[in-house]
Amino acid sequence: EAAVTQSPRNKVTVTGGNVTLSCRQTNSHNYMYWYRQDTGHGLRLIHYSYGAGNLQIGDVPDGYKATRTTQEDFFLLLELASPSQTSLYFCASSDVGSDYTFGSGTRLLVI
Amino acid sequence: QQKVQQSPESLIVPEGGMASLNCTSSDRNVDYFWWYRQHSGKSPKMLMSIFSNGEKEEGRFTVHLNKASLHTSLHIRDSQPSDSALYLCAARRNSNNRIFFGDGTQLVVKP
Repeated sequence: EAAVTQSPRNKVTVTGGNVTLSCRQTNSHNYMYWYRQDTGHGLRLIHYSYGAGNLQIGDVPDGYKATRTTQEDFFLLLELASPSQTSLYFCASSDVGSDYTFGSGTRLLVI
Repeated sequence: QQKVQQSPESLIVPEGGMASLNCTSSDRNVDYFWWYRQHSGKSPKMLMSIFSNGEKEEGRFTVHLNKASLHTSLHIRDSQPSDSALYLCAARRNSNNRIFFGDGTQLVVKP
């Protein structure tokens, strides 16, 4: 079954630490997205990509890098994590005109 | 600025009642709307989509769209406690595949 798989499910890191969130999709979708979700803010787009090697900046990119290594894999990198990046992170995939399929999310706590 | 506005922020309805949720886009370049439902601790799941003027019904759920005013609404009749969730409206910009999410309406259905 087509899916979006995120790892890890939960992560705790210290301020200034280095974190990589992983996302793999088996939907054969061209587009992949990273969102963060905080209470009162819905889903906010961090970065997205429309293919391997491509990266587009979203609405809240500061402090985040991303890399799309293959059509299936999209990574979100926090190189100097800060407490303000404590959040629930979702990865999603889609194709043009299709709805989004979301992963199960990664809860990140920066202490 | 927020491109998708949802109202109300929260809504309590009795079991068996009607829930009505609203969503408006401030971006005139949107051409497609989705409604997603997100149960607590879970990822968003697509509920319904609409791109034509008028109404679309699926079981207890009805979506309306007025393209002139870029307003969509979701109506849930015979609401059940299992409908309690965060409902997210999303609108797609027709110039690319970006979709923008509203902050959501938190629905509580009281038994």
